[in-house]
Amino acid sequence: KAGVTQTPRYLIKTRGQQVTLSCSPISGHRSVSWYQQTPGQGLQFLFEYFSETQRNKGNFPGRFSGRQFSNSRSEMNVSTLELGDSALYLCASSLVGGQATGELFFGEGSRLTVL
Amino acid sequence: AQSVAQPEDQVNVAEGNPLTVKCTYSVSGNPYLFWYVQYPNRGLQFLLKYITGDNLVKGSYGFEAEFNKSQTSFHLKKPSALVSDSALYFCAVREADNTGKLIFGQGTTLQVKP
Repeated sequence: KAGVTQTPRYLIKTRGQQVTLSCSPISGHRSVSWYQQTPGQGLQFLFEYFSETQRNKGNFPGRFSGRQFSNSRSEMNVSTLELGDSALYLCASSLVGGQATGELFFGEGSRLTVL
Repeated sequence: AQSVAQPEDQVNVAEGNPLTVKCTYSVSGNPYLFWYVQYPNRGLQFLLKYITGDNLVKGSYGFEAEFNKSQTSFHLKKPSALVSDSALYFCAVREADNTGKLIFGQGTTLQVKP
């Protein structure tokens, strides 16, 4: 079974630009969560999507947004990039409901550098 | 509010010795507890979890963890460390609400020396 796939793996942007990151969950997983990892703040929860609906949101400004498609693939978008948005963005998928085992399965991440 | 604390930024152990990486948590209700490991420039890999049942949980790569409700701790342990265990370890907690929102500790770097 293929794991969680994130694209692109690396990208460089300049301040003020916007970026879109993509995540394909494990087949059958309908929950997709996004996390930001930085050396200073550690791992912080951005948001979670389930069945195309956002059902949890972390404490990030409105510049951070996401969506989920009917095939469970998810994208996150960051607009008006700031230097502080440089981070590793991790996507995780999980089963929900009766077959859920609790753990999240993470992708390799998308490393964003903002210049 | 949920929280997780990993009191040690780094743990140094000699190969072959036992290792412990500490984690304490705060959550209302029954906790779901997890340990993940991260190698450089990689995502997080699941090691083990405590949901309910036996307080001693066994996971991947010979790791285990002990859930202690009275001390609100979930320390990660391994009887004999390997150099290849050197990595960044994260403890995480989730309230029993079956969502994808985990609260992570700050992480502990484990350094195993030959």
